[in-house]
Amino acid sequence: QKEVEQDPGPLSVPEGAIVSLNCTYSNSAFQYFMWYRQYSRKGPELLMYTYSSGNKEDGRFTAQVDKSSKYISLFIRDSQPSDSATYLCAMRKVQETSGSRLTFGEGTQLTVNP
Amino acid sequence: NAGVTQTPKFQVLKTGQSMTLQCAQDMNHNSMYWYRQDPGMGLRLIYYSASEGTTDKGEVPNGYNVSRLNKREFSLRLESAAPSQTSVYFCASSHGTGYMNTEAFFGQGTRLTVV
Repeated sequence: QKEVEQDPGPLSVPEGAIVSLNCTYSNSAFQYFMWYRQYSRKGPELLMYTYSSGNKEDGRFTAQVDKSSKYISLFIRDSQPSDSATYLCAMRKVQETSGSRLTFGEGTQLTVNP
Repeated sequence: NAGVTQTPKFQVLKTGQSMTLQCAQDMNHNSMYWYRQDPGMGLRLIYYSASEGTTDKGEVPNGYNVSRLNKREFSLRLESAAPSQTSVYFCASSHGTGYMNTEAFFGQGTRLTVV
């Protein structure tokens, strides 16, 4: 069983829709949670980073962490065609203070249609 | 502002051939990583270097070797390429120390095909 599970999609939505992307994890040692965005044929780039349970907002993006359920989400409001990309969740365990090894989900491919 | 630079961007190898993937970062980061990305598997860590002079195995190290040449450069070597090593390879770097250090910066990737 993978430590981090993420539905690969693909997910297709109309422009302006609210998008919800999710990951579940099995190891409670994961304490740091990230969302990366990867455009086609490009490297991943950090989108959001959270540590504690709760919500973190940045413009149209909201990251939500529920450690009790081992569940994280990324919400995109007013989605745009430029949001079309693969979104990867990533996590780091609390004991890894050096090296920052990340464990990634498989990624969800999102297409926002004009 | 180059960030993380990988060379080459594309490569086709025959089974049994060897090659080295090069990676350099200009952000004075301590830690560097090599990942491979495959459909249905996501990003998997091959090797990482927490600091200059150290390297450690990740999730899928078999068939690979690495060298942390200096603080800037971290190379990945395939000694005898196999078709199972067909993948997109990403190099990444991060500051690498402290609980709050998390962000990893990725290169553009190397698309490797082994025939």
